[in-house]
Amino acid sequence: ETGVTQTPRHLVMGMTNKKSLKCEQHLGHNAMYWYKQSAKKPLELMFVYNFKEQTENNSVPSRFSPECPNSSHLFLHLHTLQPEDSALYLCASSQEQGISGPHQGTQYFGPGTRLLVL
Amino acid sequence: AQSVTQPDIHITVSEGASLELRCNYSYGATPYLFWYVQSPGQGLQLLLKYFSGDTLVQGIKGFEAEFKRSQSSFNLRKPSVHWSDAAEYFCAVSGGYNKLIFGAGTRLAVHP
Repeated sequence: ETGVTQTPRHLVMGMTNKKSLKCEQHLGHNAMYWYKQSAKKPLELMFVYNFKEQTENNSVPSRFSPECPNSSHLFLHLHTLQPEDSALYLCASSQEQGISGPHQGTQYFGPGTRLLVL
Repeated sequence: AQSVTQPDIHITVSEGASLELRCNYSYGATPYLFWYVQSPGQGLQLLLKYFSGDTLVQGIKGFEAEFKRSQSSFNLRKPSVHWSDAAEYFCAVSGGYNKLIFGAGTRLAVHP
């Protein structure tokens, strides 16, 4: 599945580092999502963008800063993270929010970035 | 509030045996329902979805799911499991505005 790509696939960073995660979708979608997946916890929706505009921020700490320069690219900028932020970060895309019909809710996921904060 | 419950955290089956993974949802309107699969270290892959019409939905990899409105369920089935089906399976409901609400997942192990 190459519709949604994420780089890097693995990242180790110290608590004082600044790094960025990148997501790119080749599906012609207009909505993009960041999720956090920790061990033994359900998938947590972090941010949603629709046509480059942020439509949802699920009370995510400010040390996570998303950026969506266009409908195909999504970034997650990381700074001064904590060890508890270690997780798999998943990006997804879908047709634009608010759509109804057979494509409603259908999201396509990238392979994720496995992040370890030391 | 919308929610998804997957009652089984872990399931182990023998290769060639049949499989049923349970999913119950809570949603006020007609739901859009999904099953995703996640292999170790990978993202989520869409197996199948229900949005209207026939309540028995066919998906990829030989999976099917049946929507039962009276039971608020959307159980995933496969008649004969292969060792490559070992993975984690997530049920989800579309909560409107394209948001997905996921269950906690069921981890499937397959014995040879």
